[in-house]
Parts: sequence; structure tokens; C-alpha cells
Amino acid sequence: DQQVKQNSPSLSVQEGRISILNCDYTNSMFDYFLWYKKYPAEGPTFLISISSIKDKNEDGRFTVFLNKSAKHLSLHIVPSQPGDSAVYFCAASGRGGGSNYKLTFGKGTLLTVNP
Amino acid sequence: GAGVSQSPSNKVTEKGKDVELRCDPISGHTALYWYRQSLGQGLEFLIYFQGNSAPDKSGLPSDRFSAERTGGSVSTLTIQRTQQEDSAVYLCASSLGPRGNTEAFFGQGTRLTVV
Repeated sequence: DQQVKQNSPSLSVQEGRISILNCDYTNSMFDYFLWYKKYPAEGPTFLISISSIKDKNEDGRFTVFLNKSAKHLSLHIVPSQPGDSAVYFCAASGRGGGSNYKLTFGKGTLLTVNP
Repeated sequence: GAGVSQSPSNKVTEKGKDVELRCDPISGHTALYWYRQSLGQGLEFLIYFQGNSAPDKSGLPSDRFSAERTGGSVSTLTIQRTQQEDSAVYLCASSLGPRGNTEAFFGQGTRLTVV
């Protein structure tokens, strides 16, 4: 039972264009969402997060949008750069105590930005 | 050190042997996670420690896997009687608070190869 789903295993975009990475979740207890980026042979690194009290959070070229009614979030990267090529993981954590706090990850989307 | 440290970085072991993987979290972080990533797969949750609470072991794939966290700091993941399907990158992460709504920081991982 996958609670965080990234349905696109890969995405290819041209340099300078927008990259949109999508994530869906099923657990209504989730109230904090994060995006991580992973290069080969490295651990994932935190990119950006959003609390459920917001619907948008922006940090430079990266913006995360949250649609709570649809249980959907997306990461927008604009403009995309070749150095953005990596696997992007969506993650979520919840409320309610105990193990609801633990981070649950999606399977990741491989983004390739072509020069 | 400033980040999450894992050792060894690479481990090759013979099928049937036991292995121990170590994680030194960031000082002061009360939450610690173990994940693994098999070739071409996403991040698979293994175990979650939060302070003095009982760990969430729901992700451990079999009773050959166990983990300890001593003194609320260093953690050791032990795999007994290793099998070839245990080959993966094992990632440790830590985060600051009990909520998990501060980002988790990952180590570089231990690449385990069972031959």
C-alpha cells in the first residue's frame, strides 16, 4: 500500500523550460511535504518543503504547490538547468503521534534536462 | 562532523555472513531513519527511531534484519545470514525534532554487495 506515489518514473525537458514533477498521497494524516534530490552515489538532499497550512512555497527556481483537496503536490523548476538532472523524491509526514511522524517517500522521478 | 556519517561506504560480503552497518547522526537529532535503495528502485523504509520511544520496525523485510540505537545517538543495522537480494544501498537519515517537519539529512549510504 503505497501512501506516496510518483507515477512518472522519468521526465525529460529542455534546458530553460519548466520541469513539473508530480506527487500524489493517500494518507489524510499527512500534513508536511518535502522534496529531495538525489544524484548517483550520493545520499538524497533536501530541496524544499511545504506545510499543509500553505498551498505554495517558493525558493529561487523551485516552487512547490499543494492541493489538499486533491491530495496532490507538484514541484516546479524554472528555468531548468542541466545540473538539475537527478532523481527527485517526494516525501510526507503526518500528525497524530508516534510513527505518523516518520517520512514516507515516493519511488522517485528521474529528471533529465537536455542542453 | 557536521553531517550524517555512515560506515563502511562499501561492503562486499559472502552469502550467509552477517554484516553490521553504522550510522552516526547529526548531534542533537532525536529522529533517526534507515532506508534502503535497491537497483532501480525507490527508497524503502526499514526502521525509525524517535527519542526514547519504541522504534517503528514495520519496514524491516525479515527477522534477519535488526537495528539498535545506543544512547539516542549512534545506530547499527545488522543483517544476519545475508542473501543476494539484500544487495542495495543502505541510507541513514536524522532529523531534529519529533515532528519530522524539519527536514531529514541523509548520509552518503553504505553500498552492500552480497556475492
